[in-house]
Amino acid sequence: QKEVEQDPGPLSVPEGAIVSLNCTYSNSAFQYFMWYRQYSRKGPELLMYTYSSGNKEDGRFTAQVDKSSKYISLFIRDSQPSDSATYLCAMSDGANSKLTFGKGITLSVRP
Amino acid sequence: KAGVTQTPRYLIKTRGQQVTLSCSPISGHRSVSWYQQTPGQGLQFLFEYFSETQRNKGNFPGRFSGRQFSNSRSEMNVSTLELGDSALYLCASSLYPGDEQYFGPGTRLTVT
Repeated sequence: QKEVEQDPGPLSVPEGAIVSLNCTYSNSAFQYFMWYRQYSRKGPELLMYTYSSGNKEDGRFTAQVDKSSKYISLFIRDSQPSDSATYLCAMSDGANSKLTFGKGITLSVRP
Repeated sequence: KAGVTQTPRYLIKTRGQQVTLSCSPISGHRSVSWYQQTPGQGLQFLFEYFSETQRNKGNFPGRFSGRQFSNSRSEMNVSTLELGDSALYLCASSLYPGDEQYFGPGTRLTVT
């Protein structure tokens, strides 16, 4: 079993839709949770960084963490064509910089 | 503030050769990590450096090595290149180990 599992996608939605992206994990040591966005031929860009169960909101993005279920989500409200990218979840135990990533999901937002 | 920079951006090498990639972290960041990204395996951790010391290493063969300089800049080296080493190599920096990491644009290595 992989430490981090992410819905494989791809995912295609119409502009304005609410998008839900999800990851599950098996390692109880993970305490810090991140979402990165990666455009084609670019490096990953940090979107959200959380370390507690619950919700964290930043503009149109909401990160949700449920440590009891080992489940994290990223919600994108009012999705835009510019949100079209690959989204990666990542996790760490916080003791060092090693991040364990999900495989990523490619999102396409249709105008 | 300038982001993480990586050089070169693209590289083509032949099997058996060696390659050195360079990373300059965000100013003030002292921790540098390296990752390999391939379509099949996704993003995988290679190693982490802080204060010129390797703190952590991923599950890669000894052909992959790195170092960090006193100004926090880092290099990684891959010797005896194999076709399977073709990948995007990403560098990330953070203030300290465990902090938020910011990635550079990557170096795309093609081994022929």
